[in-house]
Amino acid sequence: DTGVSQNPRHKITKRGQNVTFRCDPISEHNRLYWYRQTLGQGPEFLTYFQNEAQLEKSRLLSDRFSAERPKGSFSTLEIQRTEQGDSAMYLCASSLTTSTDTQYFGPGTRLTVL
Amino acid sequence: AQSVSQHNHHVILSEAASLELGCNYSYGGTVNLFWYVQYPGQHLQLLLKYFSGDPLVKGIKGFEAEFIKSKFSFNLRKPSVQWSDTAEYFCAVKGGVYGNKLVFGAGTILRVKS
Repeated sequence: DTGVSQNPRHKITKRGQNVTFRCDPISEHNRLYWYRQTLGQGPEFLTYFQNEAQLEKSRLLSDRFSAERPKGSFSTLEIQRTEQGDSAMYLCASSLTTSTDTQYFGPGTRLTVL
Repeated sequence: AQSVSQHNHHVILSEAASLELGCNYSYGGTVNLFWYVQYPGQHLQLLLKYFSGDPLVKGIKGFEAEFIKSKFSFNLRKPSVQWSDTAEYFCAVKGGVYGNKLVFGAGTILRVKS
């Protein structure tokens, strides 16, 4: 039983560059979530998909951020024109829509913007 | 805005001591409650969850939590901690006005001295 996987695990980029992260959810999980975590804080919600539909976006998600889940399986999160404040751990989670819907997390992608 | 508070950011205990980590959330209707744990170098893992029924829930590794609706609390407990319990613990809420996303507390770093 494979868990949620994320690639890359680490990304170092220069300010102004674009970056893209990938998340592969647990197979058959129809919901996929993106969170961001900075040092000393709990994860903060960014956006989520049910199948291929993006159902909710946080106000944290500026117009430089875009997420897709084109076939309802894996998802990508792109950050355009990165800023130093984007440095964080980007977490992906997935769940199956049931009465006890529980999110399972991947290892995260740590982004460092220089 | 809906929020989750964890009372202690750092806790240091000796092995065999009892543990209680506080978690309070702002009212949001009928909610689901979770504790996640992050061991050093590992990703977020589910420790236990409450959806309905018995307000005392048992999780993995001897942890339990009690949902007290009147106090909007979901405190985590363990009668006797081990060195291997050293980790960061996050309380999270979803459902009700929180929606399908998880709203996390800031986390509590637990260090257990051997």
